Amino acid sequence: ELKVEQNPLFLSMQEGKNYTIYCNYSTTSDRLYWYRQDPGKSLESLFVLLSNGAVKQEGRLMASLDTKARLSTLHITAAVHDLSATYFCAVESKGGTYKYIFGTGTRLKVLA
Amino acid sequence: NAGVTQTPKFQVLKTGQSMTLQCAQDMNHNSMYWYRQDPGMGLRLIYYSASEGTTDKGEVPNGYNVSRLNKREFSLRLESAAPSQTSVYFCASSEAKVANEKLFFGSGTQLSVL
Repeated sequence: ELKVEQNPLFLSMQEGKNYTIYCNYSTTSDRLYWYRQDPGKSLESLFVLLSNGAVKQEGRLMASLDTKARLSTLHITAAVHDLSATYFCAVESKGGTYKYIFGTGTRLKVLA
Repeated sequence: NAGVTQTPKFQVLKTGQSMTLQCAQDMNHNSMYWYRQDPGMGLRLIYYSASEGTTDKGEVPNGYNVSRLNKREFSLRLESAAPSQTSVYFCASSEAKVANEKLFFGSGTQLSVL
């Protein structure tokens, strides 16, 4: 059964610093998603990664996928306070099932 | 566009009471989902419906039932609520069958079982 793990669970960082969030999953999958959740709010999609080596970037966030290592990273460049949120990765359980399993989330706090 | 609409937004139940959470989407999506979110646990899949007419168990289905009423609506029922079911519940939908489909989430239902 698919397991999705994220680390770290909590991250407190200074503005202007760089950091990476890791998402590991236990079974083969070619689809990985990143979502953002602000406190008390719902989730919104950030990135969809569909193949090995896929890289997507928007603003200070960059996501990549290594399907052979079953690893995705979300890299934060020169963090700003507005990036404070919880970030989740999600993986499709098996191709064509449309069953999405989420990681535990990484709660990011960017200090001014 | 309304997107994914969940009702109610808040609910307090006593142990043993039953209730149904409603979810509707207006995006003509094929797949619909129910997740629960608990502190430190991320989102856990309760049930999902990959297409109209089908439903399947997720990671934590015990104590819940679902109905895919039609393409738009997917309800979650708690037959006999327990304190362990206190959580925030999210409904989501996706178009599925397209390369870059993603989940669209409702605003959530905060449920407390006393």
